[in-house]
Amino acid sequence: DQQVKQNSPSLSVQEGRISILNCDYTNSMFDYFLWYKKYPAEGPTFLISISSIKDKNEDGRFTVFLNKSAKHLSLHIVPSQPGDSAVYFCAALTSGTYKYIFGTGTRLKVLA
Amino acid sequence: KAGVTQTPRYLIKTRGQQVTLSCSPISGHRSVSWYQQTPGQGLQFLFEYFSETQRNKGNFPGRFSGRQFSNSRSEMNVSTLELGDSALYLCASSLEGGGGTDTQYFGPGTRLTVL
Repeated sequence: DQQVKQNSPSLSVQEGRISILNCDYTNSMFDYFLWYKKYPAEGPTFLISISSIKDKNEDGRFTVFLNKSAKHLSLHIVPSQPGDSAVYFCAALTSGTYKYIFGTGTRLKVLA
Repeated sequence: KAGVTQTPRYLIKTRGQQVTLSCSPISGHRSVSWYQQTPGQGLQFLFEYFSETQRNKGNFPGRFSGRQFSNSRSEMNVSTLELGDSALYLCASSLEGGGGTDTQYFGPGTRLTVL
């Protein structure tokens, strides 16, 4: 039972354009959502998070949007840079469980 | 501040053997979580420890076990290795277990290959 889904295994975007990565979830008890970036041979690096009481959180070029009614979140990267090329994982947490549920990842390739 | 460290970085074992992986969290972090990453499966949660107590575990067989020491360092053990156990094993630490401003930081992982 995959509670967090990233249905696009890969995405290619031109440098300078917007990258939109999507994530769907099924568990309405999740109250905290995160995005991680992972380069080969490294552990995931935290990017940005959002609480379920918000619908948007911004940090520089990265913005996460949460649509609770649709159980959907997205990560927008503007403008995209070649260094953003990596695998992006979304993750969800129910407070008090200490158990993060991760999606299967989307490989982003930013073309110069 | 030193990050999360994992040892060894690479490991090759044969079926039926057992293996122990080690994780040293960021100084001051008391929560350690373990994940298994395999192609196409993303990161699968194994278990989480806080103050030497396992607070949650994922859907893995009993061959997978872990523990945490009083200095917050953690080990995970896999007994009777199977070919399907080949994966990247990631450890993550946080202050209290994550959520809110308590971010979870990952180590570089241990790449386990079972032959």
